Amino acid sequence: EADIYQTPRYLVIGTGKKITLECSQTMGHDKMYWYQQDPGMELHLIHYSYGVNSTEKGDLSSESTVSRIRTEHFPLTLESARPSHTSQYLCASSEFGENTEAFFGQGTRLTVV
Amino acid sequence: AQSVTQLDSQVPVFEEAPVELRCNYSSSVSVYLFWYVQYPNQGLQLLLKYLSGSTLVKGINGFEAEFNKSQTSFHLRKPSVHISDTAEYFCAVSSMNSGYSTLTFGKGTMLLVSP
Repeated sequence: EADIYQTPRYLVIGTGKKITLECSQTMGHDKMYWYQQDPGMELHLIHYSYGVNSTEKGDLSSESTVSRIRTEHFPLTLESARPSHTSQYLCASSEFGENTEAFFGQGTRLTVV
Repeated sequence: AQSVTQLDSQVPVFEEAPVELRCNYSSSVSVYLFWYVQYPNQGLQLLLKYLSGSTLVKGINGFEAEFNKSQTSFHLRKPSVHISDTAEYFCAVSSMNSGYSTLTFGKGTMLLVSP
């Protein structure tokens, strides 16, 4: 069983609020990712990290930011939430290397009203 | 650059019937291939992976997939589906890009199993 956790599972928040989605893993993985999942289920990579103090933007442009101060923790922050940010956000981690599987958290479903 | 194409957005099938979910990929370098399943309101769970060796890969829940390099395909199959197999299925490819590996997903195929 994967040891990667996301909180909260569900969040409804008003426009303009600052939010942080938490993601933690206990597997010691160097690589971590954030995906945004459309209502039509397609996954878009928005951020990734190869280790502490490493963060990169993914294929889909996002107004969110991430940080990687500790190996196990990869939070995602929206400074000012908007209805267009309503989506499901999935965090994942993997060992370093191209032939390793990614382990996913259960996701955070964000609704901005 | 690499890409993954899942040819069917939705596949309806009756219980106990066989099913095939199609996946084609493009990549200019060696690839590693994965199938994930997502149940409603859950994260993704690995079904199976192809890294090297035998082109027929067996996974969990009775699923298997065959890697075909000449056709650049990695189709997922199950000989007899259950209602509980209803879920979204994602094909993914991992390969090296500028010294780093990236994981690219297809758009997903919704498998709908009815009695």
